[in-house]
Amino acid sequence: DQQVKQNSPSLSVQEGRISILNCDYTNSMFDYFLWYKKYPAEGPTFLISISSIKDKNEDGRFTVFLNKSAKHLSLHIVPSQPGDSAVYFCAASKRGSWGKLQFGAGTQVVVTP
Amino acid sequence: GAGVSQSPRYKVAKRGQDVALRCDPISGHVSLFWYQQALGQGPEFLTYFQNEAQLDKSGLPSDRFFAERPEGSVSTLKIQRTQQEDSAVYLCASSTTGLSYNEQFFGPGTRLTVL
Repeated sequence: DQQVKQNSPSLSVQEGRISILNCDYTNSMFDYFLWYKKYPAEGPTFLISISSIKDKNEDGRFTVFLNKSAKHLSLHIVPSQPGDSAVYFCAASKRGSWGKLQFGAGTQVVVTP
Repeated sequence: GAGVSQSPRYKVAKRGQDVALRCDPISGHVSLFWYQQALGQGPEFLTYFQNEAQLDKSGLPSDRFFAERPEGSVSTLKIQRTQQEDSAVYLCASSTTGLSYNEQFFGPGTRLTVL
C-alpha cells in the first residue's frame, strides 16, 4: 500500500517563479518528513525536512509546509533556478522504525528559461 | 570524496544468475539501508543494518534476496536466481544513527537489468 503519494508526476515552471510540489500521506504514525532531490544517474540527496511538531521549515529558497490534519505537505522553491530541474521525492518515517523511509513516486520538475 | 559508493554501477544478468551488489557506506556510519527503485517509482525499503546486526528485513521481496554486513561497514546485497522483475536500481544509504531525524546519505545506485 502506497502510504506516501505524490500525485503530480511532472511540473514545469519558469525560471524565477515559484515551484510548489505536493505530497499526501495516509499513516498518522509518521512523525518526520523529508524532501530529496535526484539528478539522473545519481542517488537522492537530502534537501529539507520537517518534524511533525512543526508546520513550517525554511532553508534558503526552500520551504516545507506541513498540514497534519490534512496529512499533506508541500515544498516551495522560490525563486526557481535551472539547476533545480530534477526529480523530487517526498519521504516519511515514523519513530521506532530505525529511520526507514517511505517514499512517494516523485515529481519531475523542469525549470525553463 | 567520502560519500557512499556502490559497485558495480551497472549489472546485466541472465535470468537465473546470482548477483552480488556492494555498498561502501560513509566511514563511521552506524546505520545502513538498502532500497529498491523500480522505473518511474520512488525507492522502496528492503533492509536495515545497525552496525553488523540486520534489524529489519521486512522489505526483502523473497527469500532469493539476502543482505549482509559482517564487519559493520561494507554491505553486500545478494540476489539468487534473478528474475526479470528484479530489474531495478538498488540504492544503498547510510546515516550516523538509526533515528528518524538523521539524514540518510545515498550512493549512486546499481542498475540491475535481468534479461
